[in-house]
Amino acid sequence: GAVVSQHPSWVICKSGTSVKIECRSLDFQATTMFWYRQFPKQSLMLMATSNEGSKATYEQGVEKDKFLINHASLTLSTLTVTSAHPEDSSFYICSARMGGEQYFGPGTRLTVT
Amino acid sequence: AQSVTQLGSHVSVSEGALVLLRCNYSSSVPPYLFWYVQYPNQGLQLLLKYTSAATLVKGINGFEAEFKKSETSFHLTKPSAHMSDAAEYFCAVSDRGSGNTGKLIFGQGTTLQVKP
Repeated sequence: GAVVSQHPSWVICKSGTSVKIECRSLDFQATTMFWYRQFPKQSLMLMATSNEGSKATYEQGVEKDKFLINHASLTLSTLTVTSAHPEDSSFYICSARMGGEQYFGPGTRLTVT
Repeated sequence: AQSVTQLGSHVSVSEGALVLLRCNYSSSVPPYLFWYVQYPNQGLQLLLKYTSAATLVKGINGFEAEFKKSETSFHLTKPSAHMSDAAEYFCAVSDRGSGNTGKLIFGQGTTLQVKP
């Protein structure tokens, strides 16, 4: 139980385009999901907290207009990277909260060329 | 504000040797503490967590950690390393006070290398 999936697992896009990453809780409902960013050989940095039915809460320094988060249902949150640039290339990981624990997705590798 | 410091970005042990990964935390409220493992290009898997029950917490794959309030530490140990333990390990803290958001603050990570 408590499985979280992400789609796609990897994506390559051209600079200036937008890309959407999906995070799904497969066997439970999650009112809260989190989006993290991880650079190579570094730790996870929380980008935003996604709450079902309301606006996401972004961490300081994260551009909300660039990283659009939508939590339309209790099992799905999406992260859209708008007008992507090479510096947005990273590993994006989501997690879904159930009880006092977070369950992590397998991550999405984004490469912007 | 909460924070986590992992001492040693890289730890190398021989197969069969003791594994000790260090984690110190800072929190103004009693914390929840977690250890996660990450294999290359994968998400995080929970090894164990401390939520104010027993101070010695046993997790999966033979790992355990002890919460020491006086030392503000939550070090991860395993008596005998296995080759499959080679991975990145993250310590994390979460708040449990009023308005708990469940946000996790991660340490910098420790790469565990296991030599044959």
